[in-house]
Amino acid sequence: QVQLVESGGGVVQPGGSLRLSCAASGFTFSSYGMHWVRQAPGKGLEWVAFIRYDGSNKYYADSVKGRFTISRDNSKNTLYLQMNSLRAEDTAVYYCAKVRGTLRARDAFDIWGQGTMVTVSS
Amino acid sequence: AIRMTQSPSSFSASTGDRVTITCRASQGISSYLAWYQQKPGKAPKLLIYAASTLQSGVPSRFSGSGSGTDFTLTISCLQSEDFATYYCQQYYSYSWTFGQGTKVEIK
Repeated sequence: QVQLVESGGGVVQPGGSLRLSCAASGFTFSSYGMHWVRQAPGKGLEWVAFIRYDGSNKYYADSVKGRFTISRDNSKNTLYLQMNSLRAEDTAVYYCAKVRGTLRARDAFDIWGQGTMVTVSS
Repeated sequence: AIRMTQSPSSFSASTGDRVTITCRASQGISSYLAWYQQKPGKAPKLLIYAASTLQSGVPSRFSGSGSGTDFTLTISCLQSEDFATYYCQQYYSYSWTFGQGTKVEIK
């Protein structure tokens, strides 16, 4: 079945780095744009980053621009989020999510992973 | 960035009630709007896209309407499994944004 599984979360000190992974299965990964979305404890959903199906374009929320990098390896069906210069306010559950339509960017998110927790604390 | 404002932020309702949640965009987004349901400790689930199209597998008691700046999510007959938090989201711009969420609690 269609599935996304995140990994790589953990506890990191302020200023540190972490790389999240999202393994996709059950669909043609290389045909879909992908997002990262986060949710701070007890808070709402915040979009973080998007990458087109072929990696040709990437977009970031202002809150992470210049610190986070989204990438993908279509040969491994895997999405990544490299997070540098981490701050306490980056503490959240990070979800990867698939764009609903093939080759599309402006579409809803139809499949979500279970999330991975990132805690930034000294 | 386009700001999405939901109302109310929370409310209590009973099983069988008809409930409506509204979402307003700070600028026109045509029909580039989705609704998600999230239960505690779980990932969000897509309910509706393109403002009014029901995602496959979602019960028909859920419906959406609106275009431009004003949108609504309606649950025609609230079931026990519908008590959750609901989010609207715009995907009109390349800076995707969510509403703050509406928590539907049991009265």
